[in-house]
Amino acid sequence: DSGVTQTPKHLITATGQRVTLRCSPRSGDLSVYWYQQSLDQGLQFLIQYYNGEERAKGNILERFSAQQFPDLHSELNLSSLELGDSALYFCASSVGTPIGTQYFGPGTRLLVL
Amino acid sequence: SQQGEEDPQALSIQEGENATMNCSYKTSINNLQWYRQNSGRGLVHLILIRSNEREKHSGRLRVTLDTSKKSSSLLITASRAADTASYFCATADSGAGSYQLTFGKGTKLSVIP
Repeated sequence: DSGVTQTPKHLITATGQRVTLRCSPRSGDLSVYWYQQSLDQGLQFLIQYYNGEERAKGNILERFSAQQFPDLHSELNLSSLELGDSALYFCASSVGTPIGTQYFGPGTRLLVL
Repeated sequence: SQQGEEDPQALSIQEGENATMNCSYKTSINNLQWYRQNSGRGLVHLILIRSNEREKHSGRLRVTLDTSKKSSSLLITASRAADTASYFCATADSGAGSYQLTFGKGTKLSVIP
């Protein structure tokens, strides 16, 4: 158990819909990262927050957005969903620096029908 | 885009044998990390090797790093069925302003009892 929690574990929705994925980092970790893992693209970095502020952006679509709240939990919002958005979405956390060890949550499996 | 590229893509060995996976990368790095992922689950950090280190051990794991060849290898000795998983290398770029780990597409290891 990494100490990172993600909800929900599974999500099935329809194209065009909007969903929110939630992540609670390990106690004491200030940084939260979001990743998307699909069969064809591998593990893609989406975005990082550090202590409530956006720190780095990766391959995140404009239809996707995220935020980190004062209690350090984070939410990833996915809107206007397309079939190709079906993937595993992981949250990870670290104490601070993004280039140290990251601790991954169990993931949310999203299926868009 | 992928920085690290693992080789081979898939590896099947008998229990008790050693497994070697390789990772090549393109740019200068601060450190290189190896992670394990059991099917459909979150990634688990295995080991981090800094750019000024050449070899590191952790239990049955041995990691080497050759910065001149921009490559790393992960050796798992005396493999067990429980080692069956995908293994990813992740690089932390040493360029200024880099705030992310970049993951390869992984090596899928199958250990046959």
